[in-house]
Amino acid sequence: NAGVTQTPKFQVLKTGQSMTLQCAQDMNHEYMSWYRQDPGMGLRLIHYSVGAGITDQGEVPNGYNVSRSTTEDFPLRLLSAAPSQTSVYFCASSRSGEAVNEQFFGPGTRLTVL
Amino acid sequence: AQRVTQPEKLLSVFKGAPVELKCNYSYSGSPELFWYVQYSRQRLQLLLRHISRESIKGFTADLNKGETSFHLKKPFAQEEDSAMYYCALGEGGSEKLVFGKGTKLTVNP
Repeated sequence: NAGVTQTPKFQVLKTGQSMTLQCAQDMNHEYMSWYRQDPGMGLRLIHYSVGAGITDQGEVPNGYNVSRSTTEDFPLRLLSAAPSQTSVYFCASSRSGEAVNEQFFGPGTRLTVL
Repeated sequence: AQRVTQPEKLLSVFKGAPVELKCNYSYSGSPELFWYVQYSRQRLQLLLRHISRESIKGFTADLNKGETSFHLKKPFAQEEDSAMYYCALGEGGSEKLVFGKGTKLTVNP
């Protein structure tokens, strides 16, 4: 099992450009989420999904779009990149159940917006 | 609103000394609490969760509902414990996690 994979590992964008960060998992997890990690801010939830076709906003959704057409994939789209979106982005997945389950994280994408 | 507070951004101890990483939470329901760890150049991974009540790599954490705390403790720190530690709160009925801002632990030789 590859677990949670993310591409690319690094990306540099210019202000106003758009791009998609890819995330895939092969564990058949229902729940997937995107976080951003900034120094001194911890991890903040951007968007999440409880299953194919279902997405919802997290704490910091502005400037980002997501879709979930399959159980495996959960791409994150930056519509018009801004320097404030410079961050490390993590995708995570977990099973769904009565209790909160362990989340498995991808290796991260380091994004710089100039 | 759910909130997780880790009061120390940085914590430095010597090898063999006890270590305690503090975590306080604010939640009106029945909390589910976790500690995640990120070693250098590795993925964020689960260290332990309160419902399992187990010791992982010598670390323990006890949920104190009266003090709304979930502090992480280890009696004798090792250099390989140096990492970023995040306390996280699970929202009942969903898989969503709220993370604290993290504590960077450095264990000096």
